[in-house]
Amino acid sequence: QKEVEQNSGPLSVPEGAIASLNCTYSDRGSQSFFWYRQYSGKSPELIMFIYSNGDKEDGRFTAQLNKASQYVSLLIRDSQPSDSATYLCARGDSGANNLFFGTGTRLTVIP
Amino acid sequence: DAGVIQSPRHEVTEMGQEVTLRCKPISGHDYLFWYRQTMMRGLELLIYFNNNVPIDDSGMPEDRFSAKMPNASFSTLKIQPSEPRDSAVYFCASSFAGHGGGELFFGEGSRLTVL
Repeated sequence: QKEVEQNSGPLSVPEGAIASLNCTYSDRGSQSFFWYRQYSGKSPELIMFIYSNGDKEDGRFTAQLNKASQYVSLLIRDSQPSDSATYLCARGDSGANNLFFGTGTRLTVIP
Repeated sequence: DAGVIQSPRHEVTEMGQEVTLRCKPISGHDYLFWYRQTMMRGLELLIYFNNNVPIDDSGMPEDRFSAKMPNASFSTLKIQPSEPRDSAVYFCASSFAGHGGGELFFGEGSRLTVL
């Protein structure tokens, strides 16, 4: 399902740095966007969602949405080794509960 | 709550055999999803149900795949006959529409290897 594109990485950042993860999508009808984290060998878990243009902050995480440019990003401030995981971007359509996922970006935070 | 429960966790089978994967969603959730994850294609939506009714099965790869949800607490994904290219991790997820959608709770997955 190539409707959501992510750089597969790996992305490596030193501990304490800002990690920037990006995602683009092709369907302009997309209404909602989600970031899931998946540790190796585990299942995905939701970390943030965003519906409106602009920034949304939650602790060390900030999601950014630009519908005109069709991109979504996730910033992780003060990166920790425990943030090392694959981050999946997903989009949803209005009124629908099903999500379409990108292939994920693997992040490694180096101590 | 115990979360979404999937079985088996691991399945190794030979090409041509029937495979049945099982899922128990979180109690009270009205949506159930089956996803397949591979390195090449990522997490693909196969089919999803709302209140036990299949809503969209356009992601099911071919007729060898079928899914059922006979009641609110149980679903199966069946592959018959299985092929090596079916090897993947199959995730079941559930959600509650009242939460506004998007927060899917995933099971631990069933890792299928077809030899």
